[in-house]
Amino acid sequence: GAVVSQHPSRVICKSGTSVKIECRSLDFQATTMFWYRQFPKQSLMLMATSNEGSKATYEQGVEKDKFLINHASLTLSTLTVTSAHPEDSSFYICSGTHPKETQYFGPGTRLLVL
Amino acid sequence: AQSVTQPDIHITVSEGASLELRCNYSYGATPYLFWYVQSPGQGLQLLLKYFSGDTLVQGIKGFEAEFKRSQSSFNLRKPSVHWSDAAEYFCAVGAGPYGGSQGNLIFGKGTKLSVKP
Repeated sequence: GAVVSQHPSRVICKSGTSVKIECRSLDFQATTMFWYRQFPKQSLMLMATSNEGSKATYEQGVEKDKFLINHASLTLSTLTVTSAHPEDSSFYICSGTHPKETQYFGPGTRLLVL
Repeated sequence: AQSVTQPDIHITVSEGASLELRCNYSYGATPYLFWYVQSPGQGLQLLLKYFSGDTLVQGIKGFEAEFKRSQSSFNLRKPSVHWSDAAEYFCAVGAGPYGGSQGNLIFGKGTKLSVKP
């Protein structure tokens, strides 16, 4: 199946700093990428849908100015958590759509904000 | 409201025993149903999906699932579990074959499977 990578796999940062997470589709072109957030023992919650070359569509309750998403190419989307706070600590997962298939998910990025 | 319920948070089975993971959904339209497996350090991997047709679907790694509209269920089964099946399993529902017109999937909270030797 298609492969999606995420970098970094885990990151620790200080409160108030910004963190960028990269999501890459390695062997296919993802016209659409999705960003999910997963809390411990909870399900994945969709944060936003990112289409290449256009603005991301955010789900209700997700602050677009806090979670900046850029989808500059068909193989790369980035999520930047700006002015991170401890409550932003979570597991962030991206996925990409492969033509005529369902979503392919990355391994996730664990963010810890101190 | 659209939702997916996985009643079992954690299940432990012996290697070689049969497995059934439960999934119930609430969805207003025709559901597209998925089962994913998540192993540590790995992305969610699609096990199988149901769109229409035969209500018993076969997936990878020997898994199968049965769609029962009357019970709003889509339970995952495997006749003989292997130690490598230990992982977290997620049931999801979407509005389309690729996870919905906008692609979003609604996930259950997951069931962690442990396998005893």
